[in-house]
Amino acid sequence: DGGITQSPKYLFRKEGQNVTLSCEQNLNHDAMYWYRQDPGQGLRLIYYSQIVNDFQKGDIAEGYSVSREKKESFPLTVTSAQKNPTAFYLCASTDRGRRVWGYTFGSGTRLTVV
Amino acid sequence: DQQVKQNSPSLSVQEGRISILNCDYTNSMFDYFLWYKKYPAEGPTFLISISSIKDKNEDGRFTVFLNKSAKHLSLHIVPSQPGDSAVYFCAASAISGANSKLTFGKGITLSVRP
Repeated sequence: DGGITQSPKYLFRKEGQNVTLSCEQNLNHDAMYWYRQDPGQGLRLIYYSQIVNDFQKGDIAEGYSVSREKKESFPLTVTSAQKNPTAFYLCASTDRGRRVWGYTFGSGTRLTVV
Repeated sequence: DQQVKQNSPSLSVQEGRISILNCDYTNSMFDYFLWYKKYPAEGPTFLISISSIKDKNEDGRFTVFLNKSAKHLSLHIVPSQPGDSAVYFCAASAISGANSKLTFGKGITLSVRP
């Protein structure tokens, strides 16, 4: 079955540590996205990538970094510079040829700073 | 500056009655709109969409209405069922944009009472 997989489902980080959230898709989608969800804030775009080896900052990119070395993978690193990293992180992908028609989300990673 | 607004954070309706979820947008370049449904600790799932060339789209119990002049859309669920209880996100995109991406509202929590 094609889909988008995020791991781990739950992640705990000590203050000052960097952590990397995994996002893998086997849908052959060109574009991938990272969103963050906070209570009462909806979904806010962190980074997105339209094609391999290229990515752009979203609305709240500070304290985050990404890479897109392979079409199927778009890992997100939450660095120690991110002031309030505790949140629910969602990865999504879409077929760029169909634009937003095929926006598929993963099941999310809950990150908690301890 | 929030371009997609869901001003009511929550809605409670009786099972069997109609649920009306509202969404307003400010960006006149938006020409494609979607509704996503999200359960806790899961990724959003696509529900229904509408392009700006239409003013109504129907899929089973779900109907989306678009009023372009008012920059307003609404999702109607008839009849409402307890399983519809979830957070509903309105999203918009300028589909013709070179780097089209979804802009989400803050979401509405719908509770359907048995």
